[in-house]
This record gives sequence, structure tokens and C-alpha cells, in this order.
Amino acid sequence: QKEVEQNSGPLSVPEGAIASLNCTYSDRVSQSFFWYRQYSGKSPELIMSIYSNGDKEDGRFTAQLNKASQYVSLLIRDSQPSDSATYLCAVRGNNRLAFGKGNQVVVIP
Amino acid sequence: GAVVSQHPSWVICKSGTSVKIECRSLDFQATTMFWYRQFPKQSLMLMATSNEGSKATYEQGVEKDKFLINHASLTLSTLTVTSAHPEDSSFYICSAEPYGTGDLREKLFFGSGTQLSVL
Repeated sequence: QKEVEQNSGPLSVPEGAIASLNCTYSDRVSQSFFWYRQYSGKSPELIMSIYSNGDKEDGRFTAQLNKASQYVSLLIRDSQPSDSATYLCAVRGNNRLAFGKGNQVVVIP
Repeated sequence: GAVVSQHPSWVICKSGTSVKIECRSLDFQATTMFWYRQFPKQSLMLMATSNEGSKATYEQGVEKDKFLINHASLTLSTLTVTSAHPEDSSFYICSAEPYGTGDLREKLFFGSGTQLSVL
């Protein structure tokens, strides 16, 4: 099992809708979780961090963490064309950050 | 805060030459920096972990003699691709982990990346 899994294929959402991304991780003792956004040809940009169970909201982004089920999700409300990017889930374990392969989001105007 | 500067942004070189990429944390100290490589439409691949004042730790399959890493200070790490070949053409990205605690703890901040093209 990979450390961090993001299995969904490209996600297309209409402008204004909610985009939902999921991520599961294998290391049960992981304590820190992050979502990065990467535009094509650019480097990743940190958009959310979450450390405890529950929801964390920041603007149109909400991160959700469930340590018992070992998953972390990201919701993007009122999706905009500028949200079109690849979203990387990252989990800290073994003193390093492990990245998922990413999920591409396409917001259709 | 938490800005990482990476230079150059892109470089084209002839096969057999060496290329040096610099990564600087501008407003924080970083005891640990990471070097990634990313091929088009693929995920980030960690190449090595660079710790200030000590030898870098390379991931399996990454040639340490080909990808030389020097972490000379708490704000600077360099990656030198030696005797570059066309298959080394890729997007190289550095990241830095702020030293200490506070809001920046355990977070990685990325440089803007370097697109290397080897002819």
C-alpha cells in the first residue's frame, strides 16, 4: 500500500459547484496533513494544513480529517476557473512529507 | 513569510555539461531542504533530503555522484546535475522546512522550480 493515495481521476466541476477531493494514508501515527495546489508548469503551493480531527475552513477551502479512518479530504466551495489545477495531498510520517500523486481539477465556466 | 527562491527558472545545456541549481530560503532558516524531480503529468519524486552541515540522504535509485547536493548554510542548498544527458531533462523543485516551531512548523515551502532541458 502506498503511503498516500489519491485514486480519483480528473474531476470536472461546473463553476460555482463544490469540488471534493479525498486522500487516504497508511501510517496510522501520522499527525500532520497538508493540501497543496499545483498549476501546470509551476511548483506546489501550500493551501491548507490540518492537525486534528474535524473540519478546518479557510475561505472557500475546507479540509476534513478523520484519523480513525485514515483519510483527509478537501472541499472547494464556489469553484472558480482559477481553481483548475492539480491538488496534492501530503502527510507527514517518518520525519518526512509523503505526497500523493495528485488529483486534477477542471472547473468548467 | 516563508519564501523560497530557486534559480535559474529554466536552463538549456549541452549534453555532458554540468548545471547548478540554487535554492534559498529568504525569510526563514531551514535545517532541512528537499529536492524533487517531476516529469510532465507525473507526481513529485523525492530525490534527496539535504541537511545543513551534513551529507545529503538520497532516495533509492538516485545517483549521488550525478546529483551533487550541498547544503552549506541554513538558507542555501544547491543541486548540481553533473554530466547532464537528455534523460535528465525534467522540472526540478526544491523545498525548505522552516526551523523551529510556530505556524510554519512541519510545513514545506517550495521554490518556483527549474526546467532543465539537455540537448
